[in-house]
Amino acid sequence: AQRVTQPEKLLSVFKGAPVELKCNYSYSGSPELFWYVQYSRQRLQLLLRHISRESIKGFTADLNKGETSFHLKKPFAQEEDSAMYYCALSRGGYSTLTFGKGTMLLVSP
Amino acid sequence: DTGVSQDPRHKITKRGQNVTFRCDPISEHNRLYWYRQTLGQGPEFLTYFQNEAQLEKSRLLSDRFSAERPKGSFSTLEIQRTEQGDSAMYLCASSPIGGAGETQYFGPGTRLLVL
Repeated sequence: AQRVTQPEKLLSVFKGAPVELKCNYSYSGSPELFWYVQYSRQRLQLLLRHISRESIKGFTADLNKGETSFHLKKPFAQEEDSAMYYCALSRGGYSTLTFGKGTMLLVSP
Repeated sequence: DTGVSQDPRHKITKRGQNVTFRCDPISEHNRLYWYRQTLGQGPEFLTYFQNEAQLEKSRLLSDRFSAERPKGSFSTLEIQRTEQGDSAMYLCASSPIGGAGETQYFGPGTRLLVL
């Protein structure tokens, strides 16, 4: 069965510092990887997905199949980045998502 | 608002009672998903519809849970004989047909508390 691991429950950084939220997965096939974000009092929404290879709000994530990782990075954190971040996986050919437990990012001024 | 909507937003019930939640997806979306989220956990998949067909159910979905999507539009999730362990946030999401990798759009959730 597939699994997504986010080792940090909480990541606290100062504004302007680099951010890396870790995500590791286990799945024997070819997965699709996503980062979803939930800002305070808002619904869960897609931040980015690996197949798009895009940068959203300054965040990037690279799928490393050798290390089975999909870490989320941003060079300079902003206070508005404070939110709950979930890494998620869908099995190739299937659309249901398996989520990690999430990492709360707190960016202090 | 053209996003996914869920009703009710909050539900408090006594153990043993039945509850029903409704989800209205984005109108042109063929796929509809139910997830459950408990404190400190990410959302866990429960079941998934493509149009009116229920294509997949998680092992988490016990016999007390049933979901329907008549006519491929809104969906209902019913929990019979609720237990305290059913207390959670129930999330609905929808997406267009497009294969794996498509974006799922989430509703605000229904928070259930079983006393």
